Formats: sequence, structure tokens, C-alpha cells
Amino acid sequence: DVKVTQSSRYLVKRTGEKVFLECVQDMDHENMFWYRQDPGLGLRLIYFSYDVKMKEKGDIPEGYSVSREKKERFSLILESASTNQTSMYLCASTPAGTGYEQYFGPGTRLTVT
Amino acid sequence: QKEVEQDPGPLSVPEGAIVSLNCTYSNSAFQYFMWYRQYSRKGPELLMYTYSSGNKEDGRFTAQVDKSSKYISLFIRDSQPSDSATYLCAMASSGNTGKLIFGQGTTLQVKP
Repeated sequence: DVKVTQSSRYLVKRTGEKVFLECVQDMDHENMFWYRQDPGLGLRLIYFSYDVKMKEKGDIPEGYSVSREKKERFSLILESASTNQTSMYLCASTPAGTGYEQYFGPGTRLTVT
Repeated sequence: QKEVEQDPGPLSVPEGAIVSLNCTYSNSAFQYFMWYRQYSRKGPELLMYTYSSGNKEDGRFTAQVDKSSKYISLFIRDSQPSDSATYLCAMASSGNTGKLIFGQGTTLQVKP
């Protein structure tokens, strides 16, 4: 079974803090993704990566950055957290060539106060 | 206008009912059409996918794609309380199958 794990289920941070969200997958997948999920807006792609050290912006990259130093790990960084970044953050992975079948982690509920 | 539109519901049906979930889209380049299911406090999981037009059946679930109308559907027969979840449609074009565009999700409750 593919497993995608995220470092925290719930996180509370203060405005202006630097926040790291970690995602690890154990199936040697090439592609990894970060989404945020908000009521009424569905899932929106923040960043994705097709290979180690490679990254591409998704639809809403502003205020975020990412790091992929190892194939199994994809980190999302909020450089200076703001209240409008309060959301559910979901990480996903997929093998090369089968991008439609994404395997998701359980999500991190981030609250910025 | 969003690329993918989905009625968020909530939708409440009695056990055993036939459920119809739908999405419309505007981008004619979409070729991959997916349905993901998301239980409360869990990440989404792929339920079904269809390439291009047509129908696909898997047990109690049937996915339909009508590209001429830019309309996709998921039917659930003999619905069960365990089907209670949020259902998300997602789409991708052939050249970029990794970048999915999701609908807002429809919350379904099946009452015993």
C-alpha cells in the first residue's frame, strides 16, 4: 500500500512565523504535490515537483515556497504565515506517467492566529 | 467562471437510493476525468477515472463522461451509509496529467 504521511495533523501558528509542513511518501513516486483545501473552493494546487530539486508553481503559489532535496520528501514552507493561510493542507504523490491517480496524505489543519 | 463546477450540496438520501453526482467544465482540452472520495478527516482517494468519453462501471459505481456537453456524472446504486463522504471530481488534459483541476466537492449523506 502506498503511504503518504504528513508531519502534523493539527498545527497552530502565529502571524509572521515561518512554518514548515513536511510530506513523506514511501513508494518511490517521482511526482509530489501540495494543495490547500478550503470550503467552497475545493482543492487548489500550490506547488508540485516532478523530480528531486525540481519545482513548479501551481495555481496559488504566492506566500509559499517548497523544497525537495530527496525523492521521498516534499516540504511546504510558509515564509511569514498570515491568517488567510489558515486552511487544510494536503500532500499527494504519483508515479511518473499516471498523474491522474494521486495518493493523498491525511492532511494538516493549519490555524494561523 | 471556474474551470470545473460542482454543486457542494449537501445531498442527503435514504439507504438504497440511487445517487447522481455531477460536474460541468469549460476547458475542452480535458481528457482525463476522475472521481475522488474523501471521508471526514482523511485525504481524498481515487474512486474511478475515465479517459475521454464514455461510461465506466465498477461495482455499484458508474462514471459517465459527455464531452459534447462538458458534463460528467457519478452514479451510486444501492447507496450505503458507508458511502457518506465528500465526492470530488477532477480533470486533466493529456499533456499535463499530473496537474489536476478539482471541483468544490459534493458532500453526501446516506441515512440508514
